[in-house]
Parts: sequence; C-alpha cells; structure tokens
Amino acid sequence: AQKVTQAQTEISVVEKEDVTLDCVYETRDTTYYLFWYKQPPSGELVFLIRRNSFDEQNEISGRYSWNFQKSTSSFNFTITASQVVDSAVYFCALRGNQGGKLIFGQGTELSVKP
Amino acid sequence: DTEVTQTPKHLVMGMTNKKSLKCEQHMGHRAMYWYKQKAKKPPELMFVYSYEKLSINESVPSRFSPECPNSSLLNLHLHALQPEDSALYLCASSQESQYYEQYFGPGTRLTVT
Repeated sequence: AQKVTQAQTEISVVEKEDVTLDCVYETRDTTYYLFWYKQPPSGELVFLIRRNSFDEQNEISGRYSWNFQKSTSSFNFTITASQVVDSAVYFCALRGNQGGKLIFGQGTELSVKP
Repeated sequence: DTEVTQTPKHLVMGMTNKKSLKCEQHMGHRAMYWYKQKAKKPPELMFVYSYEKLSINESVPSRFSPECPNSSLLNLHLHALQPEDSALYLCASSQESQYYEQYFGPGTRLTVT
C-alpha cells in the first residue's frame, strides 16, 4: 500500500520566519516519484518540484528548499523568510510504478501573517 | 507554457440538468486527468486518459462521463448529479502518465442544487 502523511494540518507563522512542512511516505516500490504542490485560495494546484527515488540530492530554488531522505522516508519542504504570498495549502504526493495515480497527503494549510 | 485551461469557472446545475466541463492543454501532453476535490481535502482521482484512451476509471458513478476528443481536449459530461457531487473539478495533464509531473488547471467550481 502507498501512503503519504502530512502530520501538520495547519501552520501559522509571521512573515520572514522560516517554516518546514513535513512529508512522510510509504511505498514498497523501488522506483517512485515524490512531488510538492501549492494550492492558493484561487484553487489551482501549482507544481513545485518532482524528486525521483534514485536521486537523493537536496534542492534549493530561491526561498524554497527540499530535503529528501530515503532512510526516514521523508521529503520535507522548507520556506525561508516566508511571505504573505506563501499562504496556501501545500500537498505532498507520491507516485509509484503503478501508472498515473498520484497519492496525495492530506495537505498542510500555511498561513503567513504580516 | 505550462497552461491548462478549464471552462466554465463556476457552474450551478439542477439535479436533472445535463452539462459539460471542458479542459484544454497545448503542451503536447499525452496524459490527461480529471480530479474531484472537496473543501479541505486533497484531490481525488476520477479518470486518466493516456494517448486518448481511458486507462483509469476510479469506480466513478456513471452520471460522470469522460470524453477525450483529441490529445488536447478533455471533457466531463455531467447528468443527473446529486448535491454531494458539488465540488471543485480539476483537470490536469502530463507528458506521460507514469513519470512526469502533472500540471493542473484552475478548476471548475460546481454546485448541484
């Protein structure tokens, strides 16, 4: 069975704080793909990153960084110096070797206050 | 250009109506998807089309009928819906169904009265 757990339902921070969104996954596939999506109040899911299971390099893109650790089955997402525009629901998702189905976590609602 | 468009943005329909949702992408993607999303929940997969053929149907009731007229277009035909079908309906596309990230449209917010 495949599963994604985002234990943090809601996080509230003040602008300029750093914040880490946790994602833990379960899969028996040896090859799999992990994703993060952002869903602002407008509703559209915005693709942020894809990570393949055979590539454990961490990634940084501007204020965003991702820490992938196979040993703990985690794929955490950090926003540095958060801004009000970062307020959204963030979904972590997993796809194994079983076709196109994405397994989503329950999402973490991030609120960044000025 | 990573744009998926959906029309209409909002739709209100009665339980006896027939309506259609439309989705279009011009990225050359060969896989297209329909999702349903209720408030405060993650998207739930409904259908997957791969190379214009239906490859996944997640046991969706027959009152939802998908159609893929060509590789750029995806429709969702709605008939005799129930109030519990009210939700945000999201379309997505990807290069292929297995390896690549999915790009989502802005969604159609459907209300069934």
